[in-house]
Formats: sequence, structure tokens, C-alpha cells
Amino acid sequence: GNSVTQMEGPVTLSEEAFLTINCTYTATGYPSLFWYVQYPGEGLQLLLKATKADDKGSNKGFEATYRKETTSFHLEKGSVQVSDSAVYFCALRGNAGNMLTFGGGTRLMVKP
Amino acid sequence: NAGVTQTPKFQVLKTGQSMTLQCAQDMNHEYMSWYRQDPGMGLRLIHYSVGAGITDQGEVPNGYNVSRSTTEDFPLRLLSAAPSQTSVYFCASSLDRSYEQYFGPGTRLTVT
Repeated sequence: GNSVTQMEGPVTLSEEAFLTINCTYTATGYPSLFWYVQYPGEGLQLLLKATKADDKGSNKGFEATYRKETTSFHLEKGSVQVSDSAVYFCALRGNAGNMLTFGGGTRLMVKP
Repeated sequence: NAGVTQTPKFQVLKTGQSMTLQCAQDMNHEYMSWYRQDPGMGLRLIHYSVGAGITDQGEVPNGYNVSRSTTEDFPLRLLSAAPSQTSVYFCASSLDRSYEQYFGPGTRLTVT
């Protein structure tokens, strides 16, 4: 079946540092890939997505590139802010429908 | 436009009690789903519905029932609560299977 593995947290960075959160996946066919963000006390929000190989999703300064050769979808941001502190989830949707498979989540803490 | 709403926000149950978690959306979305979120495990799909009158099981359906009598509402029923059902529950909706899912704020359930 489908699975998503992402680096365990917490990840603690200083403001303006570079962020990478690793995500790899296992799936048959050509899944769509997503990053969701969960701010404290809230539900998940879609951050970015990519639907085919070599696509780059981007939003709010975050980027992730769909790498089929390495089955990866790493999240990056060049300069994090305190307001980026949240839990980040990598997810995939297989070809069969809208069932999302999530990774375990990575908590990011950004210190001023 | 309230989006996806969930009630209650917090609930404590004793083992064996029953309760219903409410979920409603006002976006006329056909697809609705319930997830549970446990530490380190991401979100796992419990049940989903592709439209009024149609429901199906997800990855972890045991101990939960759902029904979909209207497009707007998708309640989740715990028939006999167990400590293993202590979790945060999220409801989500989307226009159909392939569109972005919108998540509610969650219900934190503790079973003692």
C-alpha cells in the first residue's frame, strides 16, 4: 500500500534560517503529493501540492519538487519566520481516489 | 461562509459510553471524511462519504459508525468508547474526490 515517511521533529531553527523537511513516499502509479500545515489549535491547511513528476509546488515562500526518481517531496524555505512555527504534514493521494495518506508530521519551532 | 465546523471541541468520555461527533460544511461539498490524528502517526482515514446516502470505510473504521443523510452533515458515532479511541478527530470536505480537502478545527476526545 501507500506510505509516507517524513523526518521526525521537532526541528528548531532561528529566524531567517534555511528550512528543509524531508519527505519520501511509496506508492504505485503516479500519486499527487501535498504538504499540509497545522498551526496550534487549528485544523490542517493545504500549503502546496504537485501532481506530476518534476512539478514544483510553492506558496508563502515554501517550495517542494516532486522527484519521482528518488520518490521524494522535500519541503524547503529560504528564510523562516517565527510565524512559520507549526506542524507540517507530507501526504499523497493515489490514483484510486481522494484517500490521503499522511506522514507522521514534523513540528517546526522558530525562535526569534 | 463558515467552512467546515466541528462540535464539540473537547470531550471526555468514560469507557463504554457512546457519543456523536458533529461535522457540518456549508460549501455544498459532495465528499466528506473523518480522520483521527495520533502522535507520530499523522492522520488516518476512518470513514468517508462521496455524497448523501453513500458512505465507505477508510483505514481504521472499527468502533466507529457514520451516516450521511444530507450533503451538509456527516456525524461520527462512537458506539462504546475505548481508551484506544483517545485522539484528535478531524472532519474534512471537498468538492469531489480530486479537489483540495478543507479541514475542520478538530475535536479532542479523551476516553478514561
